[in-house]
Amino acid sequence: EVQLVETGGGLIQPGGSLRLSCAASGFTVSSRYMNWVRQAPGKGLEWVSIIYSGGYTSHADSVKGRFTISRDSSKNTVYLQMNSLRAEDTAVYYCARAGEALAAAGLFNYWGQGTLVTVSS
Amino acid sequence: EIVLTQSPGTLSLSPGERGTLSCRASQSVSSSNLAWYQQKPGQAPRLLIYGASSRATGIPDRFSGSGSGTDFTLTISRLEPEDFAVYYCQQYGSSSWTFGQGTKVDIK
Repeated sequence: EVQLVETGGGLIQPGGSLRLSCAASGFTVSSRYMNWVRQAPGKGLEWVSIIYSGGYTSHADSVKGRFTISRDSSKNTVYLQMNSLRAEDTAVYYCARAGEALAAAGLFNYWGQGTLVTVSS
Repeated sequence: EIVLTQSPGTLSLSPGERGTLSCRASQSVSSSNLAWYQQKPGQAPRLLIYGASSRATGIPDRFSGSGSGTDFTLTISRLEPEDFAVYYCQQYGSSSWTFGQGTKVDIK
């Protein structure tokens, strides 16, 4: 059974850093396209980052240069390093596994329960 | 970036009624790479439809998707109590992937 468990959220001051973790089970993260998607309180969904099975990464313009996605195959875990955090980064952050084909790299068929990040002084 | 606009913002219906949700793209969505998700309060989104019209595993056949190019539709043939939720469309044919702003289906 596929499971994704996010941890690492919390309250952080503007300008601070935080690292989110997504522990996966039931599959190997290095063989799949793994994403982070966020949702601000009461708002819609926004794609944030992807790490492809080959290791290539891509980020939304809104976080480029501040956020970095990575993975540790030995721990079967995906990470999101968030630096220079702003109030507008406040959101629930979901880890999501995409489909098998490259054409489905952005099709999210499994989601974690999410972890809340609050950026406030 | 492809902008997706969903309508209506809120759809008020009774159980047993038919619901029709619209999603319009600012430019053509390649290969009909359009998905629909359902989200209930406090839960993660759940994939309903991919490829504009294919149901994901375990999704009841009262959910159907249609459309191509820039205009897409999600239809719920007969609303069950558990279907009252927010629905999002998403394009995954052109990175960066984008979502619509959502349609809330609530009980009339």
